[in-house]
Order: sequence, then C-alpha cells, then structure tokens
Amino acid sequence: RKEVEQDPGPFNVPEGATVAFNCTYSNSASQSFFWYRQDCRKEPKLLMSVYSSGNEDGRFTAQLNRASQYISLLIRDSKLSDSATYLCVVNMFMNTGFQKLVFGTGTRLLVSP
Amino acid sequence: GAVVSQHPSWVICKSGTSVKIECRSLDFQATTMFWYRQFPKQSLMLMATSNEGSKATYEQGVEKDKFLINHASLTLSTLTVTSAHPEDSSFYICSANPTGGLDQPQHFGDGTRLSIL
Repeated sequence: RKEVEQDPGPFNVPEGATVAFNCTYSNSASQSFFWYRQDCRKEPKLLMSVYSSGNEDGRFTAQLNRASQYISLLIRDSKLSDSATYLCVVNMFMNTGFQKLVFGTGTRLLVSP
Repeated sequence: GAVVSQHPSWVICKSGTSVKIECRSLDFQATTMFWYRQFPKQSLMLMATSNEGSKATYEQGVEKDKFLINHASLTLSTLTVTSAHPEDSSFYICSANPTGGLDQPQHFGDGTRLSIL
C-alpha cells in the first residue's frame, strides 16, 4: 500500500462546478497534512494546511478524518485558473523516530469553459 | 512571505558532466533544507535532508557520492549531481521553512529541470 494515495484523475469539470478530492494515508501517527497545487512544470505552491477541525479558505475547504485516515479537498465554483495538479502531502513519523514529508502523486483537475 | 530561490532553472548538458544546483532562502535562515526529485507524472520524492554545518541525511536508495550536498551557510544549500547520466534527467526541487520543521508548510524553490544528453 502506498504511504499517500490519490486518484490521479483527471477530473474534468465545467466552470462553476463543485469538485472534491480525497487522499488516504497509511501511517496513523501522521500529524500534519497539507494540500499543494502544482502547475505543469512548476514547483508546488501551498494551497492550505489541513487542521483537525477542518478549515476553509474562500472556495476551498479541507477536511481531516483521522479514524479513516484520509483528507479531502473541496473546491466550490470552479474557475478555469483552478486547473492544476493537487498534491496531498503528509508529515509522517517513521519507525526510526524521524519525520518525513510524503507526497501523493497528485490529482489532476481540468476546468473547462 | 518566506521565499526560496533556486538556480539554475534549466540545465542541458552532456553525459558525464557534473551539475551544481543552488537553493537559497532569501528572507529567513534555514538550518534545514530538503532536496526532492520528480520524474514525469510521478510524485515528489525526498532525496535528502540538508543540515547546516553537518552531513546531509540521504533517503534509502539515493547515492550520497552521486548527489553531493553542501549546506555551508544558513541561507544556502547546494546539490551537485556528479557525472550525470541521462537517467539523472529530472526535475529537482528544494524546500525550506523558517522553523525548519515539517509541521509547518514548506516553501519550494522554482525547481531545476535537468536534461542530460
């Protein structure tokens, strides 16, 4: 099982649609979770951190479900500019006692006019 | 906000060449920086953790003699790909944050696209 797993997509949605992505993680000791977006051939940029109580930033809502070990990202009123790959990133505690950021392969979103 | 700069953005060179990539934190000090590699349609994979004033910590499967890391100051880490071959062609990215911890978001450099002919 992959440490962080995402549906690669692509998710093709029209402008204005609501779309949701899920991400599952394998390590129950994981403490910090993030969503980044990555545009083609560019570096990842932070979209939002994910907090235990869930959090919202404008059209974006992130949720954490520790019991089921997944996080989600909801995008409302999709814009053309939302087209990108969304990376799920988890700060994992390894057996060695060290921490490591583990990246999902990303979910590709295509928003069309 | 915190800014991380990476240079160069693109490198195209012949097989056997050594390539140095710089990662700088512009407005904060970074005792720890991270180096990643991303192949097409794959996720970012951590290569190594760069520690200021001490040896880098390499992930399993990453050759430390192949990928030399030097973190000589609190604002600069360099990754040197020695005797690069076509299979080393990839997108290399560094990251850091002001706290040095992984519980806060990372700030990524622009990335370096390395093509070995």
